[in-house]
Amino acid sequence: GDSVTQMEGPVTLSEEAFLTINCTYTATGYPSLFWYVQYPGEGLQLLLKATKADDKGSNKGFEATYRKETTSFHLEKGSVQVSDSAVYFCALCSNDYKLSFGAGTTVTVRA
Amino acid sequence: EAGVAQSPRYKIIEKRQSVAFWCNPISGHATLYWYQQILGQGPKLLIQFQNNGVVDDSQLPKDRFSAERLKGVDSTLKIQPAKLEDSAVYLCASSARTGKAEAFFGQGTRLTVV
Repeated sequence: GDSVTQMEGPVTLSEEAFLTINCTYTATGYPSLFWYVQYPGEGLQLLLKATKADDKGSNKGFEATYRKETTSFHLEKGSVQVSDSAVYFCALCSNDYKLSFGAGTTVTVRA
Repeated sequence: EAGVAQSPRYKIIEKRQSVAFWCNPISGHATLYWYQQILGQGPKLLIQFQNNGVVDDSQLPKDRFSAERLKGVDSTLKIQPAKLEDSAVYLCASSARTGKAEAFFGQGTRLTVV
């Protein structure tokens, strides 16, 4: 079935460092792709999304581009802040409308 | 607009007891999901409803888990009897339409089975 694989953590960075979290997917057809974030003590919330090839999703300084040729949707941020410390989940919604998640990557940003 | 509401937030039970979780999705959202999130893992889909019909329950352990969504609005997930390995956060989410739209999540219910 359709699935998502994301890079394992934890990832520890200093403030203002560049962040990349890799995500690749396996799917039949044309899924929608998402990044969700879970801040400490809070629920899952949508960070950004892309619904077709070459779409770029962006929010709060984060970006991810839907790459069909490499089946990837890597998350990037040019300059992280302490407040970006969270668990990040890559997800896809497949043609049968099933929403599947990766294992999550824990990011810690140090001042 | 109000978000997805879940209750209770926390529950501690002994193994072999039963427990129920409640979810009220965002008004007008036709699709409702229940996920199980074990510590350190990504959410695993247990069951997906479209209105009051089940779309996917392939990963629901049907010998002990059950879920219903009466009248296509709020939903209840039940575990009976609970096992130690059921300790997890149970997340409810809803989305606006059958299409591949984003889902909105509740705060979750943290279940501890002792």
